[in-house]
Amino acid sequence: EAQVTQNPRYLITVTGKKLTVTCSQNMNHEYMSWYRQDPGLGLRQIYYSMNVEVTDKGDVPEGYKVSRKEKRNFPLILESPSPNQTSLYFCASSLVDSGTEAFFGQGTRLTVV
Amino acid sequence: AQKITQTQPGMFVQEKEAVTLDCTYDTSDQSYGLFWYKQPSSGEMIFLIYQGSYDEQNATEGRYSLNFQKARKSANLVISASQLGDSAMYFCAMRENDMKTSYDKVIFGPGTSLSVIP
Repeated sequence: EAQVTQNPRYLITVTGKKLTVTCSQNMNHEYMSWYRQDPGLGLRQIYYSMNVEVTDKGDVPEGYKVSRKEKRNFPLILESPSPNQTSLYFCASSLVDSGTEAFFGQGTRLTVV
Repeated sequence: AQKITQTQPGMFVQEKEAVTLDCTYDTSDQSYGLFWYKQPSSGEMIFLIYQGSYDEQNATEGRYSLNFQKARKSANLVISASQLGDSAMYFCAMRENDMKTSYDKVIFGPGTSLSVIP
């Protein structure tokens, strides 16, 4: 089954404790993205990657890191989480062709206290 | 500056009626794609329909159609014959692509909450 898998689905952590949210896709997609969703703001792109070892900032990259060492995986790293990073996070993948839709993971609900 | 505007935070529609969800966008790129996604209360994001900037015909997918007016920079979603299962958040999104600079971002609007009334 074609899918994007994020883990964990729910996470509560404390300020400053490094965490990683994993994302994996099995569709051989080149393009992968991370988004955060906040009420009234829709989804905002954090980082995206157009292929292995190629990453670039989206609209809200501050406080986040990503890596793309393999085509299928695109982890999101919060080196020192803060309460303003409490949000719903989505990973998505698609073909590099801009005319193709994105497939989304199930989302990760992160709470930073 | 916000590049995707959805002016209707919430909408109501009677079951079996048609409804239009508004979306306007702002870009200086010639090549871009417009998407609509549905997010039910369960939280997953579901792709509905796509329109390319060079497509001359309005996109249609079953009960969904996209009213694309390029000069006005609008890409409204039309849902015909609304069903109770259409109650959800709907997001308009734009993917801008500039091959010269490798710029390839995706921007979402704030969303419209649609409620279908029996």
